[in-house]
Amino acid sequence: EAGVAQSPRYKIIEKRQSVAFWCNPISGHATLYWYQQILGQGPKLLIQFQNNGVVDDSQLPKDRFSAERLKGVDSTLKIQPAKLEDSAVYLCASSPTSGGAGWADTQYFGPGTRLTVL
Amino acid sequence: KNQVEQSPQSLIILEGKNCTLQCNYTVSPFSNLRWYKQDTGRGPVSLTIMTFSENTKSNGRYTATLDADTKQSSLHITASQLSDSASYICVVRPANDYKLSFGAGTTVTVRA
Repeated sequence: EAGVAQSPRYKIIEKRQSVAFWCNPISGHATLYWYQQILGQGPKLLIQFQNNGVVDDSQLPKDRFSAERLKGVDSTLKIQPAKLEDSAVYLCASSPTSGGAGWADTQYFGPGTRLTVL
Repeated sequence: KNQVEQSPQSLIILEGKNCTLQCNYTVSPFSNLRWYKQDTGRGPVSLTIMTFSENTKSNGRYTATLDADTKQSSLHITASQLSDSASYICVVRPANDYKLSFGAGTTVTVRA
């Protein structure tokens, strides 16, 4: 079974520039998550999709971040314009369900995109 | 606010030795508690999952314990190997919410 794919793996940009990340979840997984992981911290949920609908985007800085999940499969996360504090690893995860019991709600993570904003 | 605190922040052990990582949480009531392993440059991978009624769960050389009364969990690594070098993250799912609470992780370095 193929895992969660993300690209690019690394990105370096200057502040005020724009950047986009792509995620392809595990086939058949209904729920997709984007996390921001700052060095030395645990992941912080930015947005959660259930199929192509947004379940939770309460921690997404909507003035600069946007995300979409067209057709309920792939997803893109965009930052425009980037700030220095956006430097982090952006993790995409998917799960079969969003509220299942036990292993049914296991989140499978991609390798992440490491963003450096100069 | 649901919180998950992990200790120590980092540790170094010699290959073949054992170590124990701690996780204290305030999430209540909770549905399950997981330990994830995150290798450098990779996404986290689930090691164990325990519900509130379980006390221990093993996955190879990894053994997780849970004390729901004191809201503490531990992850014990037996006979450590170089490949155990990673960050270990404690993650708690509340019973009444889908949002996960992540700890900051413990970075383990195994040296030959």
